[in-house]
Amino acid sequence: DTAVSQTPKYLVTQMGNDKSIKCEQNLGHDTMYWYKQDSKKFLKIMFSYNNKELIINETVPNRFSPKSPDKAHLNLHINSLELGDSAVYFCASSWTSDSDTQYFGPGTRLTVL
Amino acid sequence: SQQGEEDPQALSIQEGENATMNCSYKTSINNLQWYRQNSGRGLVHLILIRSNEREKHSGRLRVTLDTSKKSSSLLITASRAADTASYFCATDAGNTGNQFYFGTGTSLTVIP
Repeated sequence: DTAVSQTPKYLVTQMGNDKSIKCEQNLGHDTMYWYKQDSKKFLKIMFSYNNKELIINETVPNRFSPKSPDKAHLNLHINSLELGDSAVYFCASSWTSDSDTQYFGPGTRLTVL
Repeated sequence: SQQGEEDPQALSIQEGENATMNCSYKTSINNLQWYRQNSGRGLVHLILIRSNEREKHSGRLRVTLDTSKKSSSLLITASRAADTASYFCATDAGNTGNQFYFGTGTSLTVIP
């Protein structure tokens, strides 16, 4: 059984389009995260939600909008996609919002043409 | 920023040898974690060491933490081909412990 799942696994789209990536965790965790990993493998946190409430919002363009309908889901919607948005996006979850082990999804490779 | 920096960037060893990776960070922490990422996959948690601990073991993994030098090391003993992966350290930011900072990782290749 997959603990943290993301869809789609691959996403290829044109500049200017709007796309969404979905994330679900079945671990019963309270906190979920979105990370962006660039081509140099640098992994940077974008957002964190605790029980559906936003607790971390790094310096991310407002074209990126996370949505958490319930604590098991954290989706990422991206408007007006740009070439620089090409990366692998990882969803993760943890029991609490304090420093804790994070469980990562398999990633979504986004390619903007 | 608090970003952890792993060293070396890449490491290639023969199966059976030990592999040592280092991580340096900039500000105080509550804990430091090591993660593994196989090619094309998500990160998998390996081990967590708290700021009041100096050494921790888990199977073939040994992690040390020196808070005075703001550095940590991950030792993998008796390496196997299946250990081939990228290894990342993740640090929190001390008082604001709900945010993790990762570096660019060490890419380990274990040659059979």
